Amino acid sequence: EAQVTQNPRYLITVTGKKLTVTCSQNMNHEYMSWYRQDPGLGLRQIYYSMNVEVTDKGDVPEGYKVSRKEKRNFPLILESPSPNQTSLYFCASRPQTRGTGELFFGEGSRLTVL
Amino acid sequence: EDQVTQSPEALRLQEGESSSLNCSYTVSGLRGLFWYRQDPGKGPEFLFTLYSAGEEKEKERLKATLTKKESFLHITAPKPEDSATYLCAVHTRAGGTSYGKLTFGQGTILTVHP
Repeated sequence: EAQVTQNPRYLITVTGKKLTVTCSQNMNHEYMSWYRQDPGLGLRQIYYSMNVEVTDKGDVPEGYKVSRKEKRNFPLILESPSPNQTSLYFCASRPQTRGTGELFFGEGSRLTVL
Repeated sequence: EDQVTQSPEALRLQEGESSSLNCSYTVSGLRGLFWYRQDPGKGPEFLFTLYSAGEEKEKERLKATLTKKESFLHITAPKPEDSATYLCAVHTRAGGTSYGKLTFGQGTILTVHP
């Protein structure tokens, strides 16, 4: 089954404790992206990657890191999480042949930073 | 700055009561407009792409239309299973890159009662 898989789905952590949210897609998509979704603010892009070893900042990259060493994986790293990073996070992917907004989303990772 | 506004924020319908959701935009150079459906606890699911004014797309009870300033998602004879949050997103020339920018609206929460 074609899918974007995120882990963990739910996480409660404390300020300053490094964490990684993994994202993996099995569709051989070149493009991958991370979004956060907050009430009243909608979906905002954190980072994106056009292909392996090519990443760039989105609208809200502060406090996050990413890497794209393999085509299928695009982990999101929070080096020192803070409470304002409490949010619902989505990973998304698409092939280069599809329109920019035709994204396949994972099921989300709900992160709480205390 | 690109702006995308969805209205109403929430809409409650009786089963079979047709209605429309609105996505209005003020952007620099529209490249495409996209509609998504998001169920509680899930990631957004892509529905439609519209590229130019006058274009229409249909899928089951849903029809999306586009003008130069807004898009409508028409729901004909809705059923309870159509209950979800509907998101629109616009792809524009903003962002300072050839890739452009994808901006999401905040969504309309649709509830269809039996």
